[in-house]
Amino acid sequence: QQPVQSPQAVILREGEDAVINCSSSKALYSVHWYRQKHGEAPVFLMILLKGGEQKGHEKISASFNEKKQQSSLYLTASQLSYSGTYFCGTEGRDQGAQKLVFGQGTRLTINP
Amino acid sequence: ETGVTQTPRHLVMGMTNKKSLKCEQHLGHNAMYWYKQSAKKPLELMFVYNFKEQTENNSVPSRFSPECPNSSHLFLHLHTLQPEDSALYLCASSEEGTRGYEQYFGPGTRLTVT
Repeated sequence: QQPVQSPQAVILREGEDAVINCSSSKALYSVHWYRQKHGEAPVFLMILLKGGEQKGHEKISASFNEKKQQSSLYLTASQLSYSGTYFCGTEGRDQGAQKLVFGQGTRLTINP
Repeated sequence: ETGVTQTPRHLVMGMTNKKSLKCEQHLGHNAMYWYKQSAKKPLELMFVYNFKEQTENNSVPSRFSPECPNSSHLFLHLHTLQPEDSALYLCASSEEGTRGYEQYFGPGTRLTVT
């Protein structure tokens, strides 16, 4: 079952904050976050493995609420380089092998 | 540069042609993946190989045939494709094929079927 991301698209000015949500209908083992710029490969951002886990590097962080089967990606004081499409990928709790199911993506545009 | 390379980067083929996509990873990983990315659709997992063994075939039509001769190389053989198969084909690798490992993607092959 494909996770649902919201919003589908967001436009910000440089320096503003953004939150991207990822919601699944099934019990999750992990949530992965990737960013893809146009014409480039998806780039791994972070993986969250445990319920309630939070992670971050620089001004990009994420949380994982295992009970709600949701994850959120937080981008603070956005930079022009943050523009791109953000994907969450989920792994079900009942699967042993890695089989990521990706959301439809959230397109983030940062304007000067 | 993620350590995963794909060739060719662009490919145009007719419906009766046979071609192959190549992926190579220089990360020492043991699991490799093929994904399809179509316009306005999410990334779709096609195949998973873990230690050279295929562990997942996500209901992919037989006109796509994967091959994994070793943990560093992955091929996708294409024959008698349909126009709806036009897409970006991405290869990825991870340290292992069990859950919880991040994947590193190659730049993809943009395939156009005419």
